[in-house]
Amino acid sequence: KAGVTQTPRYLIKTRGQQVTLSCSPISGHRSVSWYQQTPGQGLQFLFEYFSETQRNKGNFPGRFSGRQFSNSRSEMNVSTLELGDSALYLCASSFLRGGDTEAFFGQGTRLTVV
Amino acid sequence: AQRVTQPEKLLSVFKGAPVELKCNYSYSGSPELFWYVQYSRQRLQLLLRHISRESIKGFTADLNKGETSFHLKKPFAQEEDSAMYYCALSGRGGSTLGRLYFGRGTQLTVWP
Repeated sequence: KAGVTQTPRYLIKTRGQQVTLSCSPISGHRSVSWYQQTPGQGLQFLFEYFSETQRNKGNFPGRFSGRQFSNSRSEMNVSTLELGDSALYLCASSFLRGGDTEAFFGQGTRLTVV
Repeated sequence: AQRVTQPEKLLSVFKGAPVELKCNYSYSGSPELFWYVQYSRQRLQLLLRHISRESIKGFTADLNKGETSFHLKKPFAQEEDSAMYYCALSGRGGSTLGRLYFGRGTQLTVWP
């Protein structure tokens, strides 16, 4: 089966701009979660969506938002970008039924804020 | 508070030597524990989880609730085991399933 696809793979943005990242989950998976990965903080949870509803949210400012569509595809948006938002953003999808809790990760979107 | 601790940032062993990557956790409830691995230039992927009690690529991990640990072990390390290893946990029901708490990771290097 096709894996989790994230687009774009690389982005360079200027401080103050906004950015939208996209994630296409594995077919049949209804849970999509987002993580920020940095050398200093490691992997930090941003939020999780299940059937278009945000169920969990991490400790990130309101500039970070997301949504999920009826086909389970998800987007995350970061507004008013700051230099500290430079990171690898990972998306993961899961089935979360019948004890199947494995998270499948995408390749990530590398965001650089200059 | 939920927390996953991997005390070793770097770990080096020689091929054929035993290896143990440590993981301790704190969680107010009954968590599910995982080990994820990231090989060079590849995406993060599941190695094993405590519920399945499997041995994957020769690795095993036992959940010790008394010591709140989930150490990853392999009796004879191979060069292809060189990778970044992350210990992670999630809740076991409802909305807690979709959120993973990760440790900071251990970079394992296996020398020939």
